[in-house]
Amino acid sequence: AQTVTQSQPEMSVQEAETVTLSCTYDTSESDYYLFWYKQPPSRQMILVIRQEAYKQQNATENRFSVNFQKAAKSFSLKISDSQLGDAAMYFCAITRVGSNYKLTFGKGTLLTVNP
Amino acid sequence: ETGVTQTPRHLVMGMTNKKSLKCEQHLGHNAMYWYKQSAKKPLELMFVYSLEERVENNSVPSRFSPECPNSSHLFLHLHTLQPEDSALYLCASSQGRDYEQYFGPGTRLTVT
Repeated sequence: AQTVTQSQPEMSVQEAETVTLSCTYDTSESDYYLFWYKQPPSRQMILVIRQEAYKQQNATENRFSVNFQKAAKSFSLKISDSQLGDAAMYFCAITRVGSNYKLTFGKGTLLTVNP
Repeated sequence: ETGVTQTPRHLVMGMTNKKSLKCEQHLGHNAMYWYKQSAKKPLELMFVYSLEERVENNSVPSRFSPECPNSSHLFLHLHTLQPEDSALYLCASSQGRDYEQYFGPGTRLTVT
């Protein structure tokens, strides 16, 4: 079984500053994918970034980047130059390659962006 | 319409009612999912359909009944629900296993 832990129920950041959201996971698999999803107040869940476990290079997507530490089973999300539109619930998720579609989510971190 | 759409967006029903939630994906994906999202809890996977066949049923009570008539449409039929079934129900789709899932806006269900 896989588990995902997001230890920060809530975080806040000043506009234009940088914030890092934490995620740790547990899996016995060697081949898996990790995701960060964003759920704004409108409720539509949006994929932010994806990381393949076999890749050593950290994924980046514009202002969003991850710090993937495979040995430590850590997958944090860094948001640079935070914008008001970044305010949302952020979910970390993991799926095993060939998992028969199962995606395991953490409980989420609510990010507030202060003007 | 683009992406994944869900109707209705809000639903209030009594415990003896029968209602259905509808999901439609316009992405050409071949897998569709139902999730339940409750406050302070991780998303719970309910059902998965791949190429219109159910491939996952995550120990969901029989008062929830899914239907996938084709690869673009997914329904969740509800009957004799309990107040604890009140939650946000999310539909998602993906292009096969291992690929990222695209979510709809959800249906906020309240059971009275």
